[in-house]
Amino acid sequence: AQSVTQPDIHITVSEGASLELRCNYSYGATPYLFWYVQSPGQGLQLLLKYFSGDTLVQGIKGFEAEFKRSQSSFNLRKPSVHWSDAAEYFCAVGTGTALIFGKGTTLSVSS
Amino acid sequence: GAVVSQHPSRVICKSGTSVKIECRSLDFQATTMFWYRQFPKQSLMLMATSNEGSKATYEQGVEKDKFLINHASLTLSTLTVTSAHPEDSSFYICSARSRVGRADTQYFGPGTRLTVL
Repeated sequence: AQSVTQPDIHITVSEGASLELRCNYSYGATPYLFWYVQSPGQGLQLLLKYFSGDTLVQGIKGFEAEFKRSQSSFNLRKPSVHWSDAAEYFCAVGTGTALIFGKGTTLSVSS
Repeated sequence: GAVVSQHPSRVICKSGTSVKIECRSLDFQATTMFWYRQFPKQSLMLMATSNEGSKATYEQGVEKDKFLINHASLTLSTLTVTSAHPEDSSFYICSARSRVGRADTQYFGPGTRLTVL
């Protein structure tokens, strides 16, 4: 069955520290993978996406993600977190007709 | 580019009334739009897929007579919550699909907070 797992429900990172949010997927074909960010009371903003090619994908706001087929993972990273990065992060896999979302990871940033 | 708007952003209504939510793709044409519902602290639940000029496809468990979807043009889809009840209170988010080649990306609206009294 198709699914997306985000193992970490809540992560707290100090401002200026590095960040890695984990995402694992289960999908039979070549996946289209996405990371979205949601601020409280807002819609989702696309951070980055992977369709094919280079497995290291650069996104907006200094985020990047690496697709690792052998591990069925698409982890999101940022070298230095800013307080404004505090939000909910969703990983998703595109099936060609719809998106399957993980349950999300809440990122808190401490000063 | 790829901006999706929703209107209204927030609505409060009395039980038994109907509420219409609009979703517009502002700078691209979207043959397909999606409607999601999000409960507090939870992920998005797909309610239905809206295709321009045809009937919407509803996910299992979603009442099509209660959640009416119309996709009359390539830039506009509407969700009408009919005879709303307090349990329909939620955050409703739409997305519009932009397709380039075989790959497609969904761009999301800012959401509509519905409160039914």
